[in-house]
This record gives sequence, C-alpha cells and structure tokens, in this order.
Amino acid sequence: AQSVTQLDSHVSVSEGTPVLLRCNYSSSYSPSLFWYVQHPNKGLQLLLKYTSAATLVKGINGFEAEFKKSETSFHLTKPSAHMSDAAEYFCVVSFNAGGTSYGKLTFGQGTILTVHP
Amino acid sequence: EAGVVQSPRYKIIEKKQPVAFWCNPISGHNTLYWYLQNLGQGPELLIRYENEEAVDDSQLPKDRFSAERLKGVDSTLKIQPAELGDSAVYLCASTPSRVGELFFGEGSRLTVL
Repeated sequence: AQSVTQLDSHVSVSEGTPVLLRCNYSSSYSPSLFWYVQHPNKGLQLLLKYTSAATLVKGINGFEAEFKKSETSFHLTKPSAHMSDAAEYFCVVSFNAGGTSYGKLTFGQGTILTVHP
Repeated sequence: EAGVVQSPRYKIIEKKQPVAFWCNPISGHNTLYWYLQNLGQGPELLIRYENEEAVDDSQLPKDRFSAERLKGVDSTLKIQPAELGDSAVYLCASTPSRVGELFFGEGSRLTVL
C-alpha cells in the first residue's frame, strides 16, 4: 500500500525567509511524487513533479523539491517566501506499477503555509 | 485552452434531497477523477474513469453515490439521498495519461442542512 505523510499541518514564515514543507512517503513500487498548491476557493495546481528522472526537481514560482529514496522524503523548499505563497500545499504519491492501482494518487493531509509581512 | 469546468460551484440542500454535480474535462483527456475533500483534509478518490470505464470505484459509497461518464467526455456525480456528512467539496480532475499531472476544476461545494 502507498501512503504519504505531511509532517506539519501549519507552517508560518516571514516574507523573504526560506520555506520548508516536509513530506514522507511509503510505496511498494517506484513512486511518482507531486506537490500541489491550493489557494482559497481555487482548484489545485501542480507545483512540480518527480517521475524517476533528476532527483532535484524545480517547479513554478521558485519552488523545488528533492527526492531522497534513502529517507523516503520529498520535501518542498523555496529560498525566499512571498506573500502570494500563502496557501495550502499537498504532497501526492502515485503508483508506477501495474494493476488496477496504477495511476492512483494518494494525497497527504495538507500543510497550510502562512506568510507574515 | 479551457480548463476543467465544474458546476454548480456551490449547492445548499436539505438532507435526504438528491444532488448532482457535472464535470467537463479538458478536451482529449481520457482519464477523469472525482475526489471528495473534507474541510482541513486532502482530497480522497471517489472514482476514476478511463474513457467510459470506471477502473477504480472502490471508495465510492454505492448505496447513495453514483457516477457516469457517457461517451467518455463529461461526467456526472450524483448523491441520493444526501446526508449531513456529505457536506464537502467535490473535485473533478482530468489527465491525458494514467500517471502524470492532474488538472483540477475549482470544485463544487456542497452544504447539506
């Protein structure tokens, strides 16, 4: 079975400081991993994805994430937070094996990022 | 290019009433998902379609929920009868492949009184 755990339900940072949102996963097969962002009353938008290529993945709006197989982690970072980054972030894992579960995405519980002026 | 379109955006009904949500995916996207998102939680899969076929409906409460995707394009999710615990946001997403980026609609927020 696959699962994903976001280690912080809330993260608060000051504008201009680094952002770290933590995610650990469990998957019996080689996973695909994603980070999505959800602004209030908006649909989820893909930030970045890892699909077995480079372990350091760059996404939109200056975000990046590093896949660490030994630590089963896929933490999301940004060097300098902006007010517009305030939103909820979801870490997502997907099976890459065959069978009916192929392509099934499992979402973490979400991390709410607050950015203070 | 138009995104995933869902309607209605908001719906308020009394318990035991029926409700239906509609989703129009991005053109050419064969795979369509319905997710349920409760307040403060991540989305949970209800059903996944590949073209017209429901390939994963294991988490769909079939006693009151039903879904269809006629002609492999638009999809409808129905609840009958609705219960208080069904109050949530119902998200539709589509993708051109089974593994990859999902494109989400803005969701349909249901309130059951």
